[in-house]
Amino acid sequence: DTEVTQTPKHLVMGMTNKKSLKCEQHMGHRAMYWYKQKAKKPPELMFVYSYEKLSINESVPSRFSPECPNSSLLNLHLHALQPEDSALYLCASSQDLRGQAHYEQYFGPGTRLTVT
Amino acid sequence: AQSVAQPEDQVNVAEGNPLTVKCTYSVSGNPYLFWYVQYPNRGLQFLLKYITGDNLVKGSYGFEAEFNKSQTSFHLKKPSALVSDSALYFCAVRYRVGHTGNQFYFGTGTSLTVIP
Repeated sequence: DTEVTQTPKHLVMGMTNKKSLKCEQHMGHRAMYWYKQKAKKPPELMFVYSYEKLSINESVPSRFSPECPNSSLLNLHLHALQPEDSALYLCASSQDLRGQAHYEQYFGPGTRLTVT
Repeated sequence: AQSVAQPEDQVNVAEGNPLTVKCTYSVSGNPYLFWYVQYPNRGLQFLLKYITGDNLVKGSYGFEAEFNKSQTSFHLKKPSALVSDSALYFCAVRYRVGHTGNQFYFGTGTSLTVIP
């Protein structure tokens, strides 16, 4: 199973709402990632978890809050978002991140988020 | 600065002709280089990677890439393009930082259109 699943596929939320994005993988990967992608642009790294601990936070605003409940699940909690946060949010996973840079990432299909 | 560049935003090629999507990198040390493809409204799919060894790397769907250290390039190639190859292609570089860290960058992406 080389699949990363993400729910929901689409999400429309108002600026005062609280919502969560979910990501799941069953490949035994211990590194998981959140990316934000605007149309026809490269993914921008937001957060990286390694062995369920936050490893990288790319200076993301606090209205985005990641959570890694276990080695298979990754959540992104959203609160008080702005219209400019509308984008495709991608989750990815890879094997052990510790000192190993040669592992490829497996991406989910993404959640298309629209903030109104 | 450490980075990866894709000099062409758009590449058009006739079906059946060979295709090349260019990537150059600027990383000290030994980088690991990757190609990903993204179809509309989908996540990124891993195509191939260079770690070490043979400079010609073969990947999924008939794609291959040649690592050229002297020219710091990692161009993606396919001998005969298919209409279904039309997509957005990203080059990416990862390298080790210290003993356990990683850093990685995506190129800006190249939109490939294969004309029937």
